[in-house]
Amino acid sequence: TQLLEQSPQFLSIQEGENLTVYCNSSSVFSSLQWYRQEPGEGPVLLVTVVTGGEVKKLKRLTFQFGDARKDSSLHITAAQPGDTGLYLCAGAGGGTSYGKLTFGQGTILTVHP
Amino acid sequence: KAGVTQTPRYLIKTRGQQVTLSCSPISGHRSVSWYQQTPGQGLQFLFEYFSETQRNKGNFPGRFSGRQFSNSRSEMNVSTLELGDSALYLCASSSGYNDEQFFGPGTRLTVL
Repeated sequence: TQLLEQSPQFLSIQEGENLTVYCNSSSVFSSLQWYRQEPGEGPVLLVTVVTGGEVKKLKRLTFQFGDARKDSSLHITAAQPGDTGLYLCAGAGGGTSYGKLTFGQGTILTVHP
Repeated sequence: KAGVTQTPRYLIKTRGQQVTLSCSPISGHRSVSWYQQTPGQGLQFLFEYFSETQRNKGNFPGRFSGRQFSNSRSEMNVSTLELGDSALYLCASSSGYNDEQFFGPGTRLTVL
C-alpha cells in the first residue's frame, strides 16, 4: 500500500512570508501532482512532476520532485492572501495502478493580509 | 474545452436509500476515476473506468459500484446508504498523459 505523508497539516502565515510544504513516501511514484482545492470545489491541478530531481516553477510557486521519486516539495515565495486554500499532493503508482492517485492528507494554508 | 462536470452538485438522502451520481469527462478523455473525500480520511480512491471496463478498484464495500458508457460518461451508485457515506464525491478524467487527472466540482452527499 502506497502512502504519502504531507506536512505540515496547517500553516498560518502573514502576507509576504515564504513557506514550504512537504510530501514524503517510502514508495516510488511514476509521477506526482500538486493540487489546490477551495471549499466545496474539486481539486485544481497545479503541476505534474515526472522526472527525479525535476524542478518546476509556476510564478511564485516552485515544485521539486526528489531524486528517488519518493518525495516532493512545494515552496511559495512571498505568499499572498489569494494563495489561501487546501494544497494536496498526489502520487501515481504507474504500472497496473490504473487511474489511482494516492493523496496526502493536505495542507490548509491561511495567508493573513 | 469544457471541464469535468458532475451532477447533481448536492444530494440529501436518508439511511437505506440508494443514490446515483453522474460524471461527464473532458472531451477525448477515456479514463474516469472516482474518489470519496471526507474530513477524517481525505481523498480515497473508489474505482477507475476505461473504455467501459473497470480497471482498478479501491477498498470500499460492494455497496459502491460504477459504470461507464460508450461516450465515456460515468455513473457511480451507492446502495443501502449509511451515515458514514456522507462525503464529497469527486470524479476525475484523464487522457493518460503522465497520469494527470482533472477533477470535477464534486457532488456533496449528505445522509440523514
